[in-house]
Order: sequence, then structure tokens, then C-alpha cells
Amino acid sequence: KNEVEQSPQNLTAQEGEFITINCSYSVGISALHWLQQHPGGGIVSLFMLSSGKKKHGRLIATINIQEKHSSLHITASHPRDSAVYICAVRRSGSRLTFGEGTQLTVNP
Amino acid sequence: GAVVSQHPSWVICKSGTSVKIECRSLDFQATTMFWYRQFPKQSLMLMATSNEGSKATYEQGVEKDKFLINHASLTLSTLTVTSAHPEDSSFYICSALWPGGDIQYFGAGTRLSVL
Repeated sequence: KNEVEQSPQNLTAQEGEFITINCSYSVGISALHWLQQHPGGGIVSLFMLSSGKKKHGRLIATINIQEKHSSLHITASHPRDSAVYICAVRRSGSRLTFGEGTQLTVNP
Repeated sequence: GAVVSQHPSWVICKSGTSVKIECRSLDFQATTMFWYRQFPKQSLMLMATSNEGSKATYEQGVEKDKFLINHASLTLSTLTVTSAHPEDSSFYICSALWPGGDIQYFGAGTRLSVL
């Protein structure tokens, strides 16, 4: 079993839909990251969370430390949101452990 | 704009040649950089942690002599794939740790194809 598991693996949505991607982890962490990987491969760091909730534009990330679970929400999804979304956790030190990613496709 | 620059973005080379990939932190000094490898449809795998002024720390199973890492300055780390073979074809990504140690900024990646 992977230390970081994401669901779903693949997600197809219509433009405008509300999207949720989930991340569960099995180890103690100091922080959790949500990353976005574009089709060309480049990675953008969206959020770093250690508790609670963060919001940036149409993106919202939440984390429940007790339940070892985080969610990434996208409101009013748009085709340009199509990408792979990756959950990564940081234990001690600065190393990240990555989930396998969720491929999101938003159709017009 | 990008805070980490990775170059080249793609490279095609013949089997047996060596390829150098550069990772630069822009406008900040990164004492720690990371090198990752990603196969299609898979997540990132950490290859090594590069520390300025000292030897890189390699993950288990990564050949040090195959993947040479140099972090000679606070803004530049290089990964050299020596005597590349087709099985080395992959997507290589670097990241730089922001001072203070919380956020990693990623390069755009380098797609290596070895013929």
C-alpha cells in the first residue's frame, strides 16, 4: 500500500462543474502539498497545508490531520484546469512523498 | 514567472553519450535541490538530494556513477546522465527548496530520449 493515495485516478468533468480530488496518507506528516502538472510536464505548486483550509482563486484545499486526509476542490471548472493533480506529503526533513496523481479532464 | 529554470527542456541523444541538465534557482539561493525522474503515467520518483558544497544524497537503487550531480553554487545544480542508454529515456524534473525549507519550486522538466 502506498503511503499516499489519491482518488480518483481519472476524472472527467463538464465545464462549470465542482470538482473534488482526494488524498489519504498513512504516515505522520509535517505538511501536505498539492501540485499541478501540465500536459507538457511542468509542475506548479498550488498549496502547502499543515492544517485547516486554504483558498486561491477557484481552488480550495483542506486538510484533516486527525483523519490523515486532504481534498482539493475546484469551483467553476474550466478546460484550462485540465492537468494532473498530485498530492505530496512531507515527513521529517524536506523530502516529499508523492501520490500517483489524478488526471483531470474538463470538457467544454 | 518561473522561479526555477531547467534546461534543456528536451534532448535527443545517441546511446553512449552523456547529457547534462541544468537546474537554476532564479532570484533566490537554494542550498538544497532535488532531482526526480518520472515515467509515463507514473508519479515522480526522487533520485537524489543535491546540497550545495557537498556530495549529493542518492536514493536506493540510483547509480551515483550513472547520474552525476553537482551543486557547485547556491543557484545551480546539474545532473549529468553518463553513457546514456535507451532505458534512461525519461522525464527528469528538478526542484529547489525555498530558503526556510517549506516550499519546493519545480523546474519545467527535461524530456530525455536516448536513441
